[in-house]
Amino acid sequence: NAGVMQNPRHLVRRRGQEARLRCSPMKGHSHVYWYRQLPEEGLKFMVYLQKENIIDESGMPKERFSAEFPKEGPSILRIQQVVRGDSAAYFCASSPSKQGTTDTQYFGPGTRLTVL
Amino acid sequence: GENVEQHPSTLSVQEGDSAVIKCTYSDSASNYFPWYKQELGKGPQLIIDIRSNVGEKKDQRIAVTLNKTAKHFSLHITETQPEDSAVYFCAASISISSGSARQLTFGSGTQLTVLP
Repeated sequence: NAGVMQNPRHLVRRRGQEARLRCSPMKGHSHVYWYRQLPEEGLKFMVYLQKENIIDESGMPKERFSAEFPKEGPSILRIQQVVRGDSAAYFCASSPSKQGTTDTQYFGPGTRLTVL
Repeated sequence: GENVEQHPSTLSVQEGDSAVIKCTYSDSASNYFPWYKQELGKGPQLIIDIRSNVGEKKDQRIAVTLNKTAKHFSLHITETQPEDSAVYFCAASISISSGSARQLTFGSGTQLTVLP
């Protein structure tokens, strides 16, 4: 069973460009979470999605950031007009769909975004 | 919201000794506490978790204890080995409105170094 997949692993953007980060959950998982990790810090929750629905986006900045998880294809975290402060590692996690077991989150390898 | 504090930030032990990492949480509604190990350049890997209906859980050399009254939980690694060297994160989960899944609030991490 393949784990959570993220691509690209490394992404370099200039200020003002757009960054698109992709996440494919584990097989059978329909819950996806995005977290951001700044250097030397812990992970901070950004957004939680189920297929075609945003369930909780309380940790995501109101401007420039958006996320989706379409019926087909990976979840996408989009950052528009990137700034240097967006440089971080972005991790995606997925959890099972079955009620009662949705606590356990399995993380992907992350996308390391560098904004020049 | 939930706040998780983790100590120490760095920990060095001799190979074969035990290592203990402690976390406290603020929200008494939290009832799921996972621990993750993160190696350099990789995503967090779940190593053990505990739910609030038990006080202790063990898996080979790793154990976690939970004190709900004091709102703290600890990770214990016995017979440490050099490959245990990594950053360890504790986390706590709080139910969101749907009740079907939970965002994780992470501690700031502990850099564990096992000296050969």
